[in-house]
Amino acid sequence: DGGITQSPKYLFRKEGQNVTLSCEQNLNHDAMYWYRQDPGQGLRLIYYSQIVNDFQKGDIAEGYSVSREKKESFPLTVTSAQKNPTAFYLCASSIRQGASFGEQYFGPGTRLTVT
Amino acid sequence: AQKITQTQPGMFVQEKEAVTLDCTYDTSDPSYGLFWYKQPSSGEMIFLIYQGSYDQQNATEGRYSLNFQKARKSANLVISASQLGDSAMYFCAMSDYTGTASKLTFGTGTRLQVTL
Repeated sequence: DGGITQSPKYLFRKEGQNVTLSCEQNLNHDAMYWYRQDPGQGLRLIYYSQIVNDFQKGDIAEGYSVSREKKESFPLTVTSAQKNPTAFYLCASSIRQGASFGEQYFGPGTRLTVT
Repeated sequence: AQKITQTQPGMFVQEKEAVTLDCTYDTSDPSYGLFWYKQPSSGEMIFLIYQGSYDQQNATEGRYSLNFQKARKSANLVISASQLGDSAMYFCAMSDYTGTASKLTFGTGTRLQVTL
């Protein structure tokens, strides 16, 4: 079955440690995205990538880093510089449609808790 | 900058009734897309429906329809014949088509509870 996988579902880390969240898709989608969701709020864009080896900052990129070495994979690293890393992280992907991109499909999310 | 406003934090509807979830948006771009997503308690975001800014007709997908009023900058979601499984958070979102990947701006969501 085609889809987006994120692992792990729950992640616990100590303050000061970097942590990498995995996102893999087998939909052959061109673009991939990372969002953060805090309780009672909508999603905010962290980083996005529309092609391999290229990515752009979203609205809240500080304290995060990404890579896009393969079309299928877009891992997110939450660094120790991120002041409030505890949140629900969602990865998404979309297919190129001419000059634009189609609707975004989301993975199941990773809930990160930093203490 | 784009902005999405959802003014209903929570809504109740009886099973088999229709319900409208409100969404207003603000943008200076002439070309944009409007989306609705459903988020059940499991957390995954499920795409429901899409409306392009140049589409003349309102989008429909099964029991979901989008009431698009461009002049009023509103994109309300209508769910007909509500089911218990419709209980979830619903998010309105907007994308820009400025040549890059379609970044989404989300509203704060509406929690829908379907009752017997």
